[in-house]
Parts: sequence; structure tokens; C-alpha cells
Amino acid sequence: SSELTQDPAVSVALGQTVRITCQGDNLRSYPASWYQQKPGQAPILVIYVNNNRPSGIPDRFSGSTSGNTASLTITGAQADDEADYYCNSRDGVGTYVFGGGTKVTVL
Amino acid sequence: QITLRESGPTLVKPTQTLTLTCTFSGSSLTTTGVGVGWVRQPPGKALEWLAVIYWNDHKYYSPSLRSRLSISKDASKNQVVLTLTNMAPVDTATYYCAHRPTSDGDYYYFDYWGQGTPVTVSS
Repeated sequence: SSELTQDPAVSVALGQTVRITCQGDNLRSYPASWYQQKPGQAPILVIYVNNNRPSGIPDRFSGSTSGNTASLTITGAQADDEADYYCNSRDGVGTYVFGGGTKVTVL
Repeated sequence: QITLRESGPTLVKPTQTLTLTCTFSGSSLTTTGVGVGWVRQPPGKALEWLAVIYWNDHKYYSPSLRSRLSISKDASKNQVVLTLTNMAPVDTATYYCAHRPTSDGDYYYFDYWGQGTPVTVSS
């Protein structure tokens, strides 16, 4: 099975830009999606299929991919963006995989 | 609006079988492409995908837990049931069910999630 690797934690100053990365060999072939999870809450989809935002997600969230790396960028981070972020993608046929998560702190 | 709700025991004993039910609305497992999956999260740890079932009754399991997992659906009731056998303390986690939308591609993501149900394994 494949693995998706994320940095455990990143910090960003209020109003600045932060990029969260997710690395895995399967990302060369399959798209990534991203979820935001705040303490005690269920995950929320913020980006799907590399760079698509669900309705209701602020446009400061964007996604991209290059080679074996998918990225989630928050442009103009807000205090409300402080959360854990997880990437996910396809593993094998029919199977899913999640990254280990990145804790984003807004300073 | 799609909503999902997990139900089941909050405490199970080691070696017992866990049975969880996901009841959802706003979607249907008779619609082409739709799936419902299960994801768990041990306290303070990352999300872990467990299983998914699709409208066509295709089922897929986490390779590491395949021998212990079973997923089924009752489309008429909009319900999906997950069973996990031989429970152990390491299976203590919050268990989420989540909706995989119909799409024009073979994509692997969940657009709506239930609130999660905590399960503790302890004697």
C-alpha cells in the first residue's frame, strides 16, 4: 500500500500565506483532496481532485499538484484557519489513503 | 444537503465485534457513482480509512484490516453497516462515516462526513 507524507506542523502569521504539502508516489497518477479538521469536529472537505473548491469554501484555499507532491495553499490565513489538515488520494484499486495530517497554527 | 449520522456502542470489550450503522439523507446508494465509507481516528492521531461500499455493491477494505472488516448496505433504508471483529484496545477511536459523491471520474474523496461516534475498547 502507498503512503502520503505530510509535515507534522506549520505556522503562519495572520494574513500571510502558507503552503501545506503531501507527498506520495501515487500522487503522480491520482489526484489529491484536502480536509480541514478542528478539535472535536468532523473533517470538512476544502479541496477535491487537486484544485476544486466545494461551495462555501473561501477562495483563499487553493490546491495544486506537481509530480509526487500535492499542495494546499491558504492565501491570507485567518485565525479561523487554525486546524489540522489532511490530504487523501487513491491507494490501490478501490482503496483510499490519508496523510498523517499537518497542524496549522496561525500566529 | 447531505447528512450522515453514525450509531453504535460507545464501549466494547476486547475480542468482541463492533457493529456501527451509518444513516444518511440527501443522497442514495441507488444513484450511480455514490459510495459511503468509514474512516476512524484514534485519540490525537491521524485519519485512517477503513472501508467503502458503492451503489453497485462493490466493496473495498483497508488492506491492513481486511480480515476483520465487513461492510454492507441497505439502500432502501439509506443505511450502511460496518463490522469490525476481534476488537482490541488499539481500535479505540472515533469512527466516521462519509459520503463519496457521484462524479465524472474515478475519484477517491468524501464530500460529507458524519459527526463521528467514539468507541472505546476496554474490559
